[in-house]
Amino acid sequence: EVQLVQSGAEVKKPGESLRISCKGSGYSFTSYWISWVRQMPGKGLEWMGRIDPSDSYTNYSPSFQGHVTISADKSISTAYLQWSSLKASDTAMYYCARLQGSGWYIYYFDYWGQGTLVTVSS
Amino acid sequence: QSALTQPASVSGSPGQSITISCTGTSSDVGSYNLVSWYQQHPGKAPKLMIYEVSKRPSGVSNRFSGSKSGNTASLTISGLQAEDEADYYCCSYAGSSTHVVFGGGTKLTVL
Repeated sequence: EVQLVQSGAEVKKPGESLRISCKGSGYSFTSYWISWVRQMPGKGLEWMGRIDPSDSYTNYSPSFQGHVTISADKSISTAYLQWSSLKASDTAMYYCARLQGSGWYIYYFDYWGQGTLVTVSS
Repeated sequence: QSALTQPASVSGSPGQSITISCTGTSSDVGSYNLVSWYQQHPGKAPKLMIYEVSKRPSGVSNRFSGSKSGNTASLTISGLQAEDEADYYCCSYAGSSTHVVFGGGTKLTVL
C-alpha cells in the first residue's frame, strides 16, 4: 500500500527555522517525484514545487522560489520542506503528494500525505 | 486570485447531477490534456478523482466524469449522494515555467 506519512503539527515564532518531512512507503521512492502543496486557512490549494528523489533535482513555483527549500534523503525515503525564517503568513496546512509525470510534464498527484499544520505566531 | 476559475459553490439534491466548471487559458487547460480533479472533505487530504481530463482512478465511482472543451474543463457528478458533499479542485499542467495551477475550489452542497 502506497503511503505518505508527514511529520506532526508545528508551532513556531516569526523568524524561526523549520523543516517538515514526508516519508514514503509501499513503492519505489526514487521512481516518483514528490510535490509540496500549501493550503492556507480557509483557502485553496497552491503548488509549491517538486523534487526528484533519485537525484534531488527540484522545480519551484515562481510564487515560492527563494522562500522555501525542498530536499530529499532517498536512503530513508523522505522528502522535506524547509524555511530559514518563518513569517506569520506561512501559517498553513502543507501536504506532500506523489506526482505522476514525465520530464517537465506534471500529469497529476495520485497519493497525498495527511498534511502538516504549521502555525507561526508571536 | 487563482489561475483557474471555478464557481465558489454549487448545490444539488440527492440523485441529481451537477457540473463544476474550471476555466483556464490557452497556456494551461487549453494546451494540455493534463487536467485533474481532487475531492477534499473537511479536515482531510485531497483525493484524486479524475486525471488526464476524463480518466478515473481505480476505486473512484463511475458517477464521477470529466471532460474538456477549449480552455474549460468540467467535472460532472451524477446520482448525487450525501457523501459527495466536499470541496472540489481542478488542476492543470501549465508549461515548464509555471508548472502547475489549481483552481480556487468549489464547495458542493448536497441539499
